[in-house]
Amino acid sequence: DIVMTQSPDSLAVSLGERATINCKSSQSVLYSSNNKNYLAWYQQKPGQPPKLLIYWASTRESGVPDRFSGSGSGTDFTLTISSLQAEDVAVYYCQQYYSTLLFTFGPGTKVDIK
Amino acid sequence: QVQLVESGGGVVQPGRSLRLSCAASGFTFSSYAMHWVRQAPGKGLEWVAVISYDGSNKYYADSVKGRFTISRDNSKNTLYLQMNSLRAEDTAVYYCAREAGYSSSGGLLVRTGGFDYWGQGTLVTVSS
Repeated sequence: DIVMTQSPDSLAVSLGERATINCKSSQSVLYSSNNKNYLAWYQQKPGQPPKLLIYWASTRESGVPDRFSGSGSGTDFTLTISSLQAEDVAVYYCQQYYSTLLFTFGPGTKVDIK
Repeated sequence: QVQLVESGGGVVQPGRSLRLSCAASGFTFSSYAMHWVRQAPGKGLEWVAVISYDGSNKYYADSVKGRFTISRDNSKNTLYLQMNSLRAEDTAVYYCAREAGYSSSGGLLVRTGGFDYWGQGTLVTVSS
């Protein structure tokens, strides 16, 4: 099974500052035949379902603000919010979908305003 | 617009059964793999099960294998989760989610992945 870990568990960032969340998979999620990393990022606000932000590790879903960016390959990935806005307060999850038998989420990172 | 609406949640005693439904609209339901994901109170997301677009393939998390069954009726645009032998640790909000299809990349269609639409969830509470 592919295990996903995230760091930090939580972080507080001032408005307009950068927020960085790390995600690590226990094995590579790079699909060699198409060179795509099967890694997604989600945002979940209180009382709401998760929202897909990023897929293929770095491709923004339609309508997602460009202050959200994803990077990384293989086993190490990062979600960056370049200029934190008040509406970005949420829990962020990474997810691997390389294994189509067992999809796994990271434990989540809570982002707050400092 | 794409809509996923879960129903069937409620309070159930340990050892009993419950069936969840997810009514889909706004897209060609029979073309997409569908998932169930749950979230225990105050906890993170846990993937539960997936079913392929035609229902021919189904996979489950170890925590529910042998107790839960995912199914779909493409004629009714509905996804189901039959939950048997329920335990206290199954208490959670259950979401249905659509797996994104394929996107063009370098002239090829490549599996996009990720869950691009989610329902609002239905709460299942297992308690005596």
